[in-house]
Amino acid sequence: DTGVSQNPRHKITKRGQNVTFRCDPISEHNRLYWYRQTLGQGPEFLTYFQNEAQLEKSRLLSDRFSAERPKGSFSTLEIQRTEQGDSAMYLCASSQGSDTQYFGPGTRLTVL
Amino acid sequence: AQSVTQLGSHVSVSEGALVLLRCNYSSSVPPYLFWYVQYPNQGLQLLLKYTSAATLVKGINGFEAEFKKSETSFHRTKPSAHMSDAAEYFCAVRPNAGKSTFGDGTTLTVKP
Repeated sequence: DTGVSQNPRHKITKRGQNVTFRCDPISEHNRLYWYRQTLGQGPEFLTYFQNEAQLEKSRLLSDRFSAERPKGSFSTLEIQRTEQGDSAMYLCASSQGSDTQYFGPGTRLTVL
Repeated sequence: AQSVTQLGSHVSVSEGALVLLRCNYSSSVPPYLFWYVQYPNQGLQLLLKYTSAATLVKGINGFEAEFKKSETSFHRTKPSAHMSDAAEYFCAVRPNAGKSTFGDGTTLTVKP
């Protein structure tokens, strides 16, 4: 068990481009969460999955954001038409049911 | 709905001094409470969790946290600070299932 992994670790893009991030949870964890963290703040919840079902979405998740977990294992978070305000660290976490959430190293997005 | 307030965005102590990191929460249901640490450009690492068992939770490296329901607090303490304790610390509250809500973090500086 190697923990939660996220790719890429860093992404620099130009405003208006689309980006996609990947999260691989701890194997057999049925819940997967996405959070966003901006400088000087704590992580803010975006969405979470139980297996392949997306159970909750934050109002922070505008229509430019979409997340999937097609087979109940890895997940992708796509941001379309990126804006400078999307620059942040995107964190993924996984858990087995309501047990402790374990976080990945994050993907740092910079939108120029 | 739940929320977390971390009093003091920056705490500075001398090496060997007492460390007190404050966390107050609000939750509509009995919560799980957590302390995480984050080093620059990394994800969050779990340090302590309270899950309605003992009110005093002991973690690694001499840190402990006490749950006080009457004060809705989960402050974290360490009798003697070490240089290696310097980091950013986040308190989080979570109901039985679903998302965590984080405070804005406290940056701990340890002076030699």
